[in-house]
Amino acid sequence: GEDVEQSLFLSVREGDSSVINCTYTDSSSTYLYWYKQEPGAGLQLLTYIFSNMDMKQDQRLTVLLNKKDKHLSLRIADTQTGDSAIYFCAEDTGGFKTIFGAGTRLFVKA
Amino acid sequence: DTGVSQDPRHKITKRGQNVTFRCDPISEHNRLYWYRQTLGQGPEFLTYFQNEAQLEKSRLLSDRFSAERPKGSFSTLEIQRTEQGDSAMYLCASSLLTGRLITGELFFGEGSRLTVL
Repeated sequence: GEDVEQSLFLSVREGDSSVINCTYTDSSSTYLYWYKQEPGAGLQLLTYIFSNMDMKQDQRLTVLLNKKDKHLSLRIADTQTGDSAIYFCAEDTGGFKTIFGAGTRLFVKA
Repeated sequence: DTGVSQDPRHKITKRGQNVTFRCDPISEHNRLYWYRQTLGQGPEFLTYFQNEAQLEKSRLLSDRFSAERPKGSFSTLEIQRTEQGDSAMYLCASSLLTGRLITGELFFGEGSRLTVL
């Protein structure tokens, strides 16, 4: 079946690193995604990783993919108060139908 | 083009009434998706279109729900005989699917919030 699970809440201090974890079930996924949703706004793609990659780095963001364990993580270095948002892990299940997790609420304390 | 737009942004209705939501995708995008999001949850897939063809419908989409994309541009989502359990944010997203390597990125609208009293 199609299922994406992630931790629901994370609180960090400004300047620390944040790590948000996710597990997925569809081993045939071509892409895995991290979307960000700020209060009152629509979801926006933050970053993505192709399934044949183990890691992708984009400025303060590092995505790690463990295909064997179907585990995806997002690390945000030097977390800022502006990073406070809901982060959704998502997988494409073939044909680019995207399935989302419930979201991790990141709270950054100044 | 300013992105995906949805209308209305908020709809309050009484149980049993019909409601219709409209989505205007990014103009060159050939794929259009409808999702439903309830409080504390992620977006749940409802259906998607490639051009005017509806390719897949979730089992969440009961026979009271119907979606159309008549000319492959804008789309409507109609809910008949609304129930309190239909209260949610209805999200529309679009993407461009071509023969070239693509990422499947979805561009979301801000959603239409439905409240059924």
